[in-house]
Amino acid sequence: AQKITQTQPGMFVQEKEAVTLDCTYDTSDPSYGLFWYKQPSSGEMIFLIYQGSYDQQNATEGRYSLNFQKARKSANLVISASQLGDSAMYFCAMRDGGSNYKLTFGKGTLLTVNP
Amino acid sequence: GAGVSQSPRYKVAKRGQDVALRCDPISGHVSLFWYQQALGQGPEFLTYFQNEAQLDKSGLPSDRFFAERPEGSVSTLKIQRTQQEDSAVYLCASSLGVVFYTFGSGTRLTVV
Repeated sequence: AQKITQTQPGMFVQEKEAVTLDCTYDTSDPSYGLFWYKQPSSGEMIFLIYQGSYDQQNATEGRYSLNFQKARKSANLVISASQLGDSAMYFCAMRDGGSNYKLTFGKGTLLTVNP
Repeated sequence: GAGVSQSPRYKVAKRGQDVALRCDPISGHVSLFWYQQALGQGPEFLTYFQNEAQLDKSGLPSDRFFAERPEGSVSTLKIQRTQQEDSAVYLCASSLGVVFYTFGSGTRLTVV
């Protein structure tokens, strides 16, 4: 069963505007963690933000915030004030209690920021 | 080093050839992971080391895939008798614990 679903293969946003990248997940474990990574064309996976299942508040890291809706099992990434350098693939990933070290990734969303 | 270093950056192998992919983790990182990323897909877990011990190799696709980390630092992923379906980017990551990884830039393997 697919654990992480990213339904947007590609997204476009104008520079300086905000964009939301969708992610839904599936797990029966009450303890889990959700991650977002950025993968530019250079290939490296860059960690952006983390949300634990027991965290009461939505995670924020600079221009990145995670809109965590536990009942809906969604963990959308919001990027504010988009920059040209934000153009990249974005992956949502989950680690659940079944394995505290293994990440399961979605298929990714290609974000293009237009000037 | 400052980051996770992988070599070679690109590798073209003829079908049936053996290949070895190297990963230099961040100094002092206990945990090391290998992931395989097929074209247009997210990375998929291959194997996990804690120091020199391979604690999980459940993601290795076949017995043609072998990974080692003999001194608990550098790791090598070896693929024997490569096949076209092995073409992918192979990502290595390291971590002090197990939760927050630092990934390398990967090795892009093309089997022709």
